[in-house]
Amino acid sequence: GENVEQHPSTLSVQEGDSAVIKCTYSDSASNYFPWYKQELGKGPQLIIDIRSNVGEKKDQRIAVTLNKTAKHFSLHITETQPEDSAVYFCAAGVYNYGQNFVFGPGTRLSVLP
Amino acid sequence: SQTIHQWPATLVQPVGSPLSLECTVEGTSNPNLYWYRQAAGRGLQLLFYSVGIGQISSEVPQNLSASRPQDRQFILSSKKLLLSDSGFYLCAWRDKQGRQPQHFGDGTRLSIL
Repeated sequence: GENVEQHPSTLSVQEGDSAVIKCTYSDSASNYFPWYKQELGKGPQLIIDIRSNVGEKKDQRIAVTLNKTAKHFSLHITETQPEDSAVYFCAAGVYNYGQNFVFGPGTRLSVLP
Repeated sequence: SQTIHQWPATLVQPVGSPLSLECTVEGTSNPNLYWYRQAAGRGLQLLFYSVGIGQISSEVPQNLSASRPQDRQFILSSKKLLLSDSGFYLCAWRDKQGRQPQHFGDGTRLSIL
């Protein structure tokens, strides 16, 4: 089955700097890679996703890159703000038929003012 | 639009007491439903998922059980809670046709005393 690793487990950056979180997956059949942001006491919320037919996707200050050959994908947050502080989860799986995704263990991002 | 509701938001229970957490989804039909547990500072552990009424798959052996008495209702139960059952419980849904990513509820924080 799929196995997803995520690094680093914690990350502290100064406000305005960039943050990068990296994930690797094991199952070459996976074709969908969402990223979730979880704020304290809340459920994870989808912030960006990418399918295997593209290598990069961007939404304002957030971007995700995918390297299918190496089986890794990354989340990039530019111009970080204090409200970006949260736990971020990556996931991997097959998009069709509502199958379950496998989640990484999470990265706690702290943006210091 | 689709929404997912979980209740209660917080719950404090004594060891050995029963448990019932409820999750309902609105605005969609025949979704896949999921229960996750998140221990403090940890990732998401899939406990159960359901592809239809009365159909439950268990991912890990444990003190908990799940039921799906109606199409958009998912219940997590226990007859006798253990201290190790403490955690943050999240319900999620996806549509079977893969038209949407997975969406989470806001969770229930369960503390066992």
